[in-house]
Amino acid sequence: QKEVEQNSGPLSVPEGAIASLNCTYSDRVSQSFFWYRQYSGKSPELIMSIYSNGDKEDGRFTAQLNKASQYVSLLIRDSQPSDSATYLCAVRRNTNAGKSTFGDGTTLTVKP
Amino acid sequence: GAVVSQHPSWVICKSGTSVKIECRSLDFQATTMFWYRQFPKQSLMLMATSNEGSKATYEQGVEKDKFLINHASLTLSTLTVTSAHPEDSSFYICSAPEMAGRYEQYFGPGTRLTVT
Repeated sequence: QKEVEQNSGPLSVPEGAIASLNCTYSDRVSQSFFWYRQYSGKSPELIMSIYSNGDKEDGRFTAQLNKASQYVSLLIRDSQPSDSATYLCAVRRNTNAGKSTFGDGTTLTVKP
Repeated sequence: GAVVSQHPSWVICKSGTSVKIECRSLDFQATTMFWYRQFPKQSLMLMATSNEGSKATYEQGVEKDKFLINHASLTLSTLTVTSAHPEDSSFYICSAPEMAGRYEQYFGPGTRLTVT
């Protein structure tokens, strides 16, 4: 079992719809959770971080964390073609000196 | 967010030569930096953890004599690919966690290496 699991996709949604990206993790002592966006040929870009249970909203993005279920998700509202990218979930223990474990990513395509 | 730069952004070298890639944290100090490699349409693969003032820690299967890492200051880490071969052609990305805050990891823009 991988430490961080994501559906590889591809996930395809129409423009304006809500895109839902999911991630599960196996290490119960994980404390920090991150979502990165990676456009083709580019490096990952941090878009959201979440540290406590519940929802965290930033513009069109909402991260949701449920530590009991070891589950973190990212919702993208009013999806735009420019949101088409691979989304990476990352998880970190507080003892890991900054090192995060990354999932393999979910590829999202937003169709005009 | 914090800024990490990499140089060069792309490099072409001949088989058997060595290539050095620099990674700099521009607006924060990074006692730790990470080096990743990514092949087309594949996942990020962590190669090694670079620690300022001490030896790097390499992931299993990564040849430390081939991928030399030096972290000489709090803002600079270098990765040298020695005796490069075509199979080393890849996208090399460094990152650094911003340790003063919540350890968010910031990535450099990456270096695309092509070995001919």
